[in-house]
Amino acid sequence: EVQLVESGGGLVQPGGSLRLSCGASGFTLSSYNMNWVRQAPGKGLEWISYISGGGYSMYYADSVKGRFTISRDNAKNSLYLQMNSLRAEDTAVYYCARELGGRGGYWGQGTLVTVSS
Amino acid sequence: QSVLTQPPSASGTPGQRVTISCSGSSANIGSNPVNWYQQLPGTAPKLLIYSSNQRPSGVPDRFSGSTSGTSASLAISGLQSEDEADYYCVAWDDRLNGWVFGGGTKLTVL
Repeated sequence: EVQLVESGGGLVQPGGSLRLSCGASGFTLSSYNMNWVRQAPGKGLEWISYISGGGYSMYYADSVKGRFTISRDNAKNSLYLQMNSLRAEDTAVYYCARELGGRGGYWGQGTLVTVSS
Repeated sequence: QSVLTQPPSASGTPGQRVTISCSGSSANIGSNPVNWYQQLPGTAPKLLIYSSNQRPSGVPDRFSGSTSGTSASLAISGLQSEDEADYYCVAWDDRLNGWVFGGGTKLTVL
């Protein structure tokens, strides 16, 4: 069974940092491109970052470029998102998502990040 | 403001057919396939339609997708109460080099 489990969310002060993790099981992580998508409270979905299966290509939304870094460790079946210089507007549920396009789309249950003093 | 434009809401009665539109541009829907996701209240999004008009196994054939030019549509026939959810379209944008979502459509079954 395919499973994606996010962790690392929590309460952080503005300007602070947080590292999210996403553990994958039930499939070969290296065969899939992965993404982070967030959803602010009561709002829609916002794609924020993509990484190719081998980890050689990364893309970011303008809203997080220069502050967030996506990475992966296929040997550990894990995806990461390093978030620095956090702002109040980064408050959201963060989802890791396998292959937003094509037939492989699958999402974890999400982890809540709250940026507040 | 989302790059892909969806109506914020849609509604129908049980058994009816409803259609949700998703409007984009030549950089996204006009040149790349569209996926649709269903998000039931309090849950993570689930793949509903991929490659514009394909259904994953387990998705009822009441759900169908189509595209025309720079627009896509999701149709739900034989509407059921359990279809009440938020629906999102998504496509790769060649100009932005990233995925772009529609703002989401909240479907209410009256």
